Amino acid sequence: EVQLVESGGGLVQPGGSLRLSCAASAFTFTSYPMSWVRQAPGKGLEWVSLISNFGGSTYYADSVKGRFTVSRDNSKNTLYLQMNSLRAEDTAVYYCARRDYSHAFDIWGQGTMVTVSS
Amino acid sequence: EIVMTQSPATLSVSPGERATLSCRASQSVSNNLAWYQQKPGRAPRLLIYGASTRATGIPARFSGSGSGTEFTLTISSLQSEDFAVYYCQHYNNWPFTFGPGTKVDIK
Repeated sequence: EVQLVESGGGLVQPGGSLRLSCAASAFTFTSYPMSWVRQAPGKGLEWVSLISNFGGSTYYADSVKGRFTVSRDNSKNTLYLQMNSLRAEDTAVYYCARRDYSHAFDIWGQGTMVTVSS
Repeated sequence: EIVMTQSPATLSVSPGERATLSCRASQSVSNNLAWYQQKPGRAPRLLIYGASTRATGIPARFSGSGSGTEFTLTISSLQSEDFAVYYCQHYNNWPFTFGPGTKVDIK
């Protein structure tokens, strides 16, 4: 079964750092760009970042640019999101998602919760 | 940045009835528009891409239409499992943005 499984969420103080991981299985990881999307509690979806198939291109929402870094290790079929200088407004469930040939996000993980609070 | 708006915010519908959801983009996104369904505590699920193409496994009661700046998601006969929040998203250029969502609840 095609699957994405996020991990690494938790409670972190404002100004702190956290690294999220997304493990992919049952598909050719290098064939797809991958993305992060987040959802604050009770709010809508916000696209965060995207990385191309081999990591040569990365894109970020203005709200995280300069603080978050997306990367991937294709040998481990794993996507990462390094989050630095975290703020209360970064509190959200973070989903990883596969961008398929249609350019939409066709496969999503179950999400991992990040809480930024003192 | 392209701003996506959706209307109505909440749509109350009886099972078996038709639901029509609207999505508008602040500038043309051609047909680079997707619709997602999200149930409480669950990840979003892709319903429609390319404005009108159903994703794999999506029932025929879901249909999408529109291009440019105006889009519609229609659910022809609502089933109990269709009560959820629906989001549109453009992927025409960076940054990709989602609409605020339409909640479809039981009338």
